[in-house]
Amino acid sequence: SQTIHQWPATLVQPVGSPLSLECTVEGTSNPNLYWYRQAAGRGLQLLFYSVGIGQISSEVPQNLSASRPQDRQFILSSKKLLLSDSGFYLCAWGRDRSNQPQHFGDGTRLSIL
Amino acid sequence: GQQVMQIPQYQHVQEGEDFTTYCNSSTTLSNIQWYKQRPGGHPVFLIQLVKSGEVKKQKRLTFQFGEAKKNSSLHITATQTTDVGTYFCAGPHNAGGTSYGKLTFGQGTILTVHP
Repeated sequence: SQTIHQWPATLVQPVGSPLSLECTVEGTSNPNLYWYRQAAGRGLQLLFYSVGIGQISSEVPQNLSASRPQDRQFILSSKKLLLSDSGFYLCAWGRDRSNQPQHFGDGTRLSIL
Repeated sequence: GQQVMQIPQYQHVQEGEDFTTYCNSSTTLSNIQWYKQRPGGHPVFLIQLVKSGEVKKQKRLTFQFGEAKKNSSLHITATQTTDVGTYFCAGPHNAGGTSYGKLTFGQGTILTVHP
């Protein structure tokens, strides 16, 4: 069966510090991968998606970047964090079809001080 | 662009009362998906509806897909404290061409149940 791992679970970072969040998927190959951000009590905002190694599409302009160095590895990064980067970051995997569900990791709760 | 709206934003019920959340899309959807996110947790896929007018049930949960495939609802009968969480609907991202499996999520309905 497929599993998705995301870490760390929580992170407290000072403004201006770098960020690296990692997500890995097991039990499937060539998944589509997605990074979402969720503000407290709000919906899911799609940040990036990837359909293959090295292929990244950004949905919204922001202070973050994403990379996919391996088929089942997706990384969310920032060189200098802003206060507005606080939130709940979720990684998800899915299939390249419109009728397939997405499966989410446990998420990373990021607080910027 | 495509919008998926959900109402209400919040719903507080007494345990045993029924609950309904409504989802409306600005565009026709090929399918609608529903997810549940427990407090502090991540969204978990519940169900997918594909056919116009489709109704599916999961125990006390009833999901409907509208005839025009632009709206959907989730109804919970006799809520329990385990039903607490945020319920999201989601439709395939529709911006022309391939969607790459992207979904447009509604803002969610936060359900609290008082014992």
